[in-house]
Amino acid sequence: AQTVTQSQPEMSVQEAETVTLSCTYDTSESDYYLFWYKQPPSRQMILVIRQEAYKQQNATENRFSVNFQKAAKSFSLKISDSQLGDAAMYFCAYRREAYSGAGSYQLTFGKGTKLSVIP
Amino acid sequence: DAGVTQSPTHLIKTRGQQVTLRCSPKSGHDTVSWYQQALGQGPQFIFQYYEEEERQRGNFPDRFSGHQFPNYSSELNVNALLLGDSALYLCASRGYWGGAAGNEQFFGPGTRLTVL
Repeated sequence: AQTVTQSQPEMSVQEAETVTLSCTYDTSESDYYLFWYKQPPSRQMILVIRQEAYKQQNATENRFSVNFQKAAKSFSLKISDSQLGDAAMYFCAYRREAYSGAGSYQLTFGKGTKLSVIP
Repeated sequence: DAGVTQSPTHLIKTRGQQVTLRCSPKSGHDTVSWYQQALGQGPQFIFQYYEEEERQRGNFPDRFSGHQFPNYSSELNVNALLLGDSALYLCASRGYWGGAAGNEQFFGPGTRLTVL
C-alpha cells in the first residue's frame, strides 16, 4: 500500500520569505502522480501543483515549485515570496496512474502541514 | 460554470442514526470520489463511482454506501452512525479527457458531520 508522510505538523514563515514543506512517500509503482493541495479555513481543497513521476523536470506554478527526487521518494514544496493568503493546511498526495476511464483516481494524502505566515 | 457542490454544509446527528450526503460534480465530470477527513488529519478515500458503479473502495465498513445517478451526481450514505464518524466529508469529481489535464480532481467544500 502507498503511504505519504509529512513530518512537519506546523511551519511558519515571514511574509515575503521562502519556505519549504517536506513530503516523502512509499510506493512500488513506477508510474504515478504527486500533488500538493492547499486547504484554507474555508475547507475547500485547492490543487497547488502537480508532478508526473515520468517527468524529471520539477514542476513550477508561479511562486510554487517542487523538488522531486524519485529515487529518494521525496517531494517537497517551495513557496517563494510568501503572502498572507498562503496561510493554510498543505497536503501532499499520491495517485497511481490510471489507464482507463474506469481507473482508480484514489488519492492518498499525508496528514498535512499547517503553514502560518507572519506579517 | 459551477464547481463541485455538496449539501448540506453542516449536519448534526445522534449515534445510531442514518445520514445521506449529496454531491453534484463539476459540469462535464463523470467520476465522483468520496473522502472522509477527521479533525487534524488528511482526507481518507472512501470510494469512487463511475458509470453508476462503485469502482474502488477504501478501508471503510459496509455501513458506508453510495450511489451515483445518471446525471453523475452522487450520494454517500452512512448507517448506524458512531461518534467516530464525525468528520468533514469531501466529494471530488473528475472528467476523463486523457493526458495531464484530465488527471486533476476538483473538490467540493465538504459537509461537516457531527455525531452526538
